[in-house]
Amino acid sequence: AQTVTQSQPEMSVQEAETVTLSCTYDTSESDYYLFWYKQPPSRQMILVIRQEAYKQQNATENRFSVNFQKAAKSFSLKISDSQLGDAAMYFCAYRNSGGYQKVTFGTGTKLQVIP
Amino acid sequence: DTGVSQDPRHKITKRGQNVTFRCDPISEHNRLYWYRQTLGQGPEFLTYFQNEAQLEKSRLLSDRFSAERPKGSFSTLEIQRTEQGDSAMYLCASSLWTSGGADTQYFGPGTRLTVL
Repeated sequence: AQTVTQSQPEMSVQEAETVTLSCTYDTSESDYYLFWYKQPPSRQMILVIRQEAYKQQNATENRFSVNFQKAAKSFSLKISDSQLGDAAMYFCAYRNSGGYQKVTFGTGTKLQVIP
Repeated sequence: DTGVSQDPRHKITKRGQNVTFRCDPISEHNRLYWYRQTLGQGPEFLTYFQNEAQLEKSRLLSDRFSAERPKGSFSTLEIQRTEQGDSAMYLCASSLWTSGGADTQYFGPGTRLTVL
């Protein structure tokens, strides 16, 4: 079974600075998808960024980018120019490709943004 | 696009009572998922539907839990004889799946259940 590990329960960053959230996963598959989801306090979970394992290029969405290291099974999220609205729980998630495969989530990292 | 909606947002019930939650997915989405999230944890998969067919259920979904998606539109999740351990946030998500595609799940705001 696949597992997703987020080893940082909490992180903090100064506004306008850069922060990196870590995620590692375990799988024997070669083709899969990785996601970062953001869950603000008392608000719904939204997709931040998605990476296909077959793509070597790291995904980027505005201030959010990932460092995908397939051999190391590492998938970190970098948030540049941090804003107060970035404060939230961030969940790393994994899904096999093909047909239906359930999504496995990590335990999350709580990000605090300091003004 | 109104997004995924869930009703109610909060439910407090006494142990032993039955509760039912509703999820309305994004209108064109053919897949619908239910997750349970407890404090300090990520969401755990419960079950999913493709159109009206329930295609997979987690071992977390005991006999007291039942989910339906009549006509492939909205879905309901019912918990019978609730227990204190059922207290959690119940999340619904939907996605548009096409053959060969990577469907992204969009989440609703969740229903927070408290069993006294």
